[in-house]
Amino acid sequence: AQRVTQPEKLLSVFKGAPVELKCNYSYSGSPELFWYVQYSRQRLQLLLRHISRESIKGFTADLNKGETSFHLKKPFAQEEDSAMYYCALSGMNTGFQKLVFGTGTRLLVSP
Amino acid sequence: DGGITQSPKYLFRKEGQNVTLSCEQNLNHDAMYWYRQDPGQGLRLIYYSQIVNDFQKGDIAEGYSVSREKKESFPLTVTSAQKNPTAFYLCASKGTVDTQYFGPGTRLTVL
Repeated sequence: AQRVTQPEKLLSVFKGAPVELKCNYSYSGSPELFWYVQYSRQRLQLLLRHISRESIKGFTADLNKGETSFHLKKPFAQEEDSAMYYCALSGMNTGFQKLVFGTGTRLLVSP
Repeated sequence: DGGITQSPKYLFRKEGQNVTLSCEQNLNHDAMYWYRQDPGQGLRLIYYSQIVNDFQKGDIAEGYSVSREKKESFPLTVTSAQKNPTAFYLCASKGTVDTQYFGPGTRLTVL
């Protein structure tokens, strides 16, 4: 079965500290991995996807097929990064264009 | 924010009543989705529709119904059979090549 695991419900760091939000997945084949973010009082939005290999708002994520992980990283956290972060996957095994979401990690960046 | 809208923003329902949540998009997307978001459980797929006049059950379809009579609209009815309907409901749409775009959500509370 396809599954996305985000082991941390809450991650609390100080401004300027490095951040790593963990995401592990189980999937038979080659999934597409995403990170979505939900800021307070805003809609859920795509942060980045692994096929784009982009850095968005200073965040990067590398797909590690050996460890089946897609951890989200940022070297220096900012207060405006405080939000709910969801890891998600999609692929042929999930069904047509469906996303499977993890349970989310709340990132709190304190001054 | 345009593109995909949901109404109402807040909805209160008495036990035993059916209620319908609206989702409209002007992005010309074929696929539309309904998710339920609960604290600690992430997003769970209720129903999805790949094209007009077609829809499939997601992971937690019991107690819900949908219709897709127009490309732009994908209303969700929460029926009295849904045992625990209090939640935040998110609608999303997707085009051919991009990822899912989410609406602002509707918070349903059963009194």
